Amino acid sequence: DSGVTQTPKHLITATGQRVTLRCSPRSGDLSVYWYQQSLDQGLQFLIQYYNGEERAKGNILERFSAQQFPDLHSELNLSSLELGDSALYFCASSGGDPGETQYFGPGTRLLVL
Amino acid sequence: DAKTTQPPSMDCAEGRAANLPCNHSTISGNEYVYWYRQIHSQGPQYIIHGLKNNETNEMASLIITEDRKSSTLILPHATLRDTAVYYCIVRVARGSQGNLIFGKGTKLSVKP
Repeated sequence: DSGVTQTPKHLITATGQRVTLRCSPRSGDLSVYWYQQSLDQGLQFLIQYYNGEERAKGNILERFSAQQFPDLHSELNLSSLELGDSALYFCASSGGDPGETQYFGPGTRLLVL
Repeated sequence: DAKTTQPPSMDCAEGRAANLPCNHSTISGNEYVYWYRQIHSQGPQYIIHGLKNNETNEMASLIITEDRKSSTLILPHATLRDTAVYYCIVRVARGSQGNLIFGKGTKLSVKP
């Protein structure tokens, strides 16, 4: 158990819908990262937050957004969903320095029908 | 971040040592070597990391060559539960934005 929690574990929705994925980092960790893993693209970095502020952006679509709240949990919002958004979404957290070791949550499996 | 090269797949007999190689010939002086593994579709699991000295923890050992252009992850007594995809990643460990760049990794199959 990494100490990072993600909800829900599974999500099934329809095209055009909007969903929210939630992540709670390890106790004391300030950085949260979101990654997407699809069959054809592998694990790809989406976005990073550090102590409530956006720190870095990767291959995140404009339909996707995220935020980190004062209690340090984070949410990833996916809107206007397409079939190709079906993937595993992982959250990771690290300590005070963003370069520290990242620990991953169990992921949310999203299926868009 | 520097790129890494790993064999796509390897087999190992249960109880034997699994030695997973990684080439990172363009690694910079301030970049660390990290290893993660992903069992089936679970979240990637941190294994070990190092800069230039060999490292050992309860999961594995990391051997980094003197020129730092390659490294080997050693699982001393592989079990069936070690079957997973192993990722070798190089990155700056301090003061960076911190995101990990995953390649395709090595799929390790541990066989009875």
